[in-house]
Amino acid sequence: EDQVTQSPEALRLQEGESSSLNCSYTVSGLRGLFWYRQDPGKGPEFLFTLYSAGEEKEKERLKATLTKKESFLHITAPKPEDSATYLCAVRSGGSNYKLTFGKGTLLTVNP
Amino acid sequence: KAGVTQTPRYLIKTRGQQVTLSCSPISGHRSVSWYQQTPGQGLQFLFEYFSETQRNKGNFPGRFSGRQFSNSRSEMNVSTLELGDSALYLCASSRDISTEAFFGQGTRLTVV
Repeated sequence: EDQVTQSPEALRLQEGESSSLNCSYTVSGLRGLFWYRQDPGKGPEFLFTLYSAGEEKEKERLKATLTKKESFLHITAPKPEDSATYLCAVRSGGSNYKLTFGKGTLLTVNP
Repeated sequence: KAGVTQTPRYLIKTRGQQVTLSCSPISGHRSVSWYQQTPGQGLQFLFEYFSETQRNKGNFPGRFSGRQFSNSRSEMNVSTLELGDSALYLCASSRDISTEAFFGQGTRLTVV
């Protein structure tokens, strides 16, 4: 069964203080790794898709990278509006392409 | 283009009642999946439909059921509601079974 573990569970940063969130996964035949951002009381918002090791995607202050066992979401010079829960999910052929989520990292950026 | 639409946004039901939630996917998307989100458990997979067929099912009791119509719209039903069913229910649609999923705003169900 696919497993996704995110760390840390919570992260508090000062505005401008760069950091990284980790997503470790165990799957049978990765068919895609996805990052989402979720604000309280709202549905997750899609950020990135990564398909193969070595792939990188960027959007504003966020950059996602992928290896064979984990993915990182790098946040450069964060702003308070980046505060949210960041979710990682995988699809695998071994689980009939079901989307499996980690429990997320709650990021708080203080001004 | 319009996103995933879930109705209603909020529901309050009494224990023992049943409830039906609705999801309209993004136009052209054929896959719809449902999730239950609670503070302690995170996002838990309920089921996924593709072209009106259930492809995957999570580990939830039979009280939870769903269906997908020919226009890709989907409904989920929960019968004999329990207090523990209180949660945010999220629907997501994707173009096919292997691409990224886009979520609706969710239905907040409270069982009293």
